[in-house]
Amino acid sequence: TQLLEQSPQFLSIQEGENLTVYCNSSSVFSSLQWYRQEPGEGPVLLVTVVTGGEVKKLKRLTFQFGDARKDSSLHITAAQTGDTGLYLCAGASAWVREAAGNKLTFGGGTRVLVKP
Amino acid sequence: NAGVTQTPKFQVLKTGQSMTLQCAQDMNHEYMSWYRQDPGMGLRLIHYSVGAGITDQGEVPNGYNVSRSTTEDFPLRLLSAAPSQTSVYFCASSLDRAAQYFGPGTRLTVL
Repeated sequence: TQLLEQSPQFLSIQEGENLTVYCNSSSVFSSLQWYRQEPGEGPVLLVTVVTGGEVKKLKRLTFQFGDARKDSSLHITAAQTGDTGLYLCAGASAWVREAAGNKLTFGGGTRVLVKP
Repeated sequence: NAGVTQTPKFQVLKTGQSMTLQCAQDMNHEYMSWYRQDPGMGLRLIHYSVGAGITDQGEVPNGYNVSRSTTEDFPLRLLSAAPSQTSVYFCASSLDRAAQYFGPGTRLTVL
């Protein structure tokens, strides 16, 4: 069973501060996705990283995929109250049979609260 | 495009009752999945389908059945509801290995 561990589980910061969320596993993933979920809604995809060492930027959000494709991080610069939400990482299996079903393994989530 | 739709949004069941959670997508996606979300546990895969007529078990399939008679619809059936099935259920669809598009969820309480 592939497991993804996210840390921290909860993060409370002031508007304007920076934050980093981590997603770690002992398993290799063919790709890793980050989602954000608002209360009462389904998760919405933020980014997909595919190549080991890849860095992607989405405005104030920076995503990095580890060289060995086992871990990832999400860094938010100058957080805003609109960044509040539950952040989920999800890994796509590198196993051929599971990859054919597009199965994802989700981390437990990091709840981010940005206070004004 | 409505994307992924789920009904109902809320449901309360008594132990032992059965029900079907509906999921439909209008994006012609081949892949569809059902997840449950519990506090601190992220999303766990219940069942998934790679196309009409093809389904397979995920991480936590016990107590649930699925079928995929059309590309658009992927209902989830609870055979005999138990309190442990109290959760928020999400349906998702995807095109090959692209992003998964989630529905708004069904919040289920089993008394």
